[in-house]
Amino acid sequence: GAGVSQSPSNKVTEKGKDVELRCDPISGHTALYWYRQRLGQGLEFLIYFQGNSAPDKSGLPSDRFSAERTGESVSTLTIQRTQQEDSAVYLCASSLVTGQGYEQYFGPGTRLTVT
Amino acid sequence: AQSVTQPDIHITVSEGASLELRCNYSYGATPYLFWYVQSPGQGLQLLLKYFSGDTLVQGIKGFEAEFKRSQSSFNLRKPSVHWSDAAEYFCAVVTNTGNQFYFGTGTSLTVIP
Repeated sequence: GAGVSQSPSNKVTEKGKDVELRCDPISGHTALYWYRQRLGQGLEFLIYFQGNSAPDKSGLPSDRFSAERTGESVSTLTIQRTQQEDSAVYLCASSLVTGQGYEQYFGPGTRLTVT
Repeated sequence: AQSVTQPDIHITVSEGASLELRCNYSYGATPYLFWYVQSPGQGLQLLLKYFSGDTLVQGIKGFEAEFKRSQSSFNLRKPSVHWSDAAEYFCAVVTNTGNQFYFGTGTSLTVIP
């Protein structure tokens, strides 16, 4: 079956512009995560969604970042007024249930470059 | 707070040599532990995971890892490295009460012929 897909694969934007990143999870996966991976760094948790529960936004670095998910389908991560420090690879992952005992399946990521 | 430490930023091994990548975690109870591999331009792929039971777990591509509670470690091993193993390796922990994964900063593996 299809894995997690993300689009676009690469995005170059000018400082101050808004960007929208998309994630299509594996069908049936109730949990969806967003991570940020800066060059040479590990993964930084941003936000996760589990079913119809309120999302855990504790990892969002500022109010310029927001994310939405419709039911158990596609999710969109929006970064407003982008800054150069937002340049990173943004990874999306989905799993059957949240964290415990079930692996996360990762998408290939979106490489964001803010000029 | 939970954390994961991968002390080795970069490791170089010869093809056919054995490999051990270190991972230490900080957590009060027994965590769930994972190793992921990230090849260039690819997403993360799960190599293996530990939840409970046998402390030596086998994964894909000939990898194994051993959970040592006394050392708070979950080191990844492979007896004979192949050139295709060159990649970035991440250790991760998820608490058995929480829903967040905590990733280490990764170890970059270079394999020389």
